[in-house]
Amino acid sequence: QSALTQPASVSGSPGQSITISCTGTSSDVGSYNFVSWYQQYSGKAPKLIIYEGSKRPSGVSNRFSGSKSGNTASLTISGLQAEDEADYYCCSYVDSSTYVFGTGTKVTVL
Amino acid sequence: EVQLVESGGGLVQPGGSLRLSCAASGFTLSDCYMDWVRQAPGKGLEWVGRTRSKGKNYTTEYAASVKGRFTISRDDSKNSLYLQMNSLTTEDTAVYYCARLRNSGLDVWGQGTTVTVSS
Repeated sequence: QSALTQPASVSGSPGQSITISCTGTSSDVGSYNFVSWYQQYSGKAPKLIIYEGSKRPSGVSNRFSGSKSGNTASLTISGLQAEDEADYYCCSYVDSSTYVFGTGTKVTVL
Repeated sequence: EVQLVESGGGLVQPGGSLRLSCAASGFTLSDCYMDWVRQAPGKGLEWVGRTRSKGKNYTTEYAASVKGRFTISRDDSKNSLYLQMNSLTTEDTAVYYCARLRNSGLDVWGQGTTVTVSS
């Protein structure tokens, strides 16, 4: 199972909105609404920020939102803040009852 | 407080074995699906495998890269999860995380334990 494809880096200025794409196939992202997104600071464990494609866990800022179209899921961060500078990973359920992560995206706040 | 704490990482020679532990607190392990995820130095996250809940007979799934070499088990009486790793190669060098699966998302993570495979 190949990793889902994400852009290596995305950047934006404070206050702007950015979108991170996560492209899979009809065997994963395209067939299931089980995409989750994680935020990871350097040297720290990942943190769940979106599950089931668009739902936010309690305590996660509403500046984070998720969506899906076809085989591509997306994470949008609105009102970008300095604290959003981190690595972001998508993850999807796969036909074979396994999971696969995306390649990861480094977000830089300019 | 809901918490996961991994242990058991270390330096092991290629071809060797290692068993990682993950101690859960603040919730009942037997009710939960639990995953292992790893991250090689400077690389992205890689899903390793899963054990389902007691209600699903603790069935397991593994990534192709570790299937046949790694085994996930648990001891619900100790509220602990394990990852037995055999036939280790340098490609298995990584930080290993245990995590709880809820509503298709990994909502609780441990701090990770480092495994280094080197001669």
